[in-house]
Amino acid sequence: QKEVEQNSGPLSVPEGAIASLNCTYSDRGSQSFFWYRQYSGKSPELIMFIYSNGDKEDGRFTAQLNKASQYVSLLIRDSQPSDSATYLCAVLNAGNNRKLIWGLGTSLAVNP
Amino acid sequence: KAGVTQTPRYLIKTRGQQVTLSCSPISGHRSVSWYQQTPGQGLQFLFEYFSETQRNKGNFPGRFSGRQFSNSRSEMNVSTLELGDSALYLCASSPTGTETQYFGPGTRLLVL
Repeated sequence: QKEVEQNSGPLSVPEGAIASLNCTYSDRGSQSFFWYRQYSGKSPELIMFIYSNGDKEDGRFTAQLNKASQYVSLLIRDSQPSDSATYLCAVLNAGNNRKLIWGLGTSLAVNP
Repeated sequence: KAGVTQTPRYLIKTRGQQVTLSCSPISGHRSVSWYQQTPGQGLQFLFEYFSETQRNKGNFPGRFSGRQFSNSRSEMNVSTLELGDSALYLCASSPTGTETQYFGPGTRLLVL
């Protein structure tokens, strides 16, 4: 069964620090990877996606993809209390039956 | 552009009843996916519709069904409700040719 795994946390970081969130996946053929943020009681919102090995930066967020090791990570620089949320990793599985496989999410708490 | 909308936002039903939830995608998006989210199980994929056809289906019993109309609006129906159906039901739409999903606010269903 194709899986996406994330540490449930909570991950606690001080304000201004770098938060590092990790996600591993089992389907070696996966090609598209997404990070979503979900505040308590709200729906997930897209942060960014990445397709190619390496880093992709968008403001304070950097996604890192390593297909050989089958992991994708999200770095949040200069973490703010408003970044406190659950971060969901989603991976598009390969093959004809294409659908997103979701991790259970990592809870992040940024302490002032 | 207006975002994904879902109605109703909250619903209370009793066991054995049925329920219909509605989703209007972002204008121009033809793909609509439905998810069930519970604290312990995370985001569970229900089904995806594209141009009025079910393109993909998750592992839910036949009590869960859906459809999509020619204007891309979608409905999902749950018959013979069970206590375990209490969850947040999320709808997401995607632009054609991408797997990036944009979520609506969700419908919170409580089955008593």
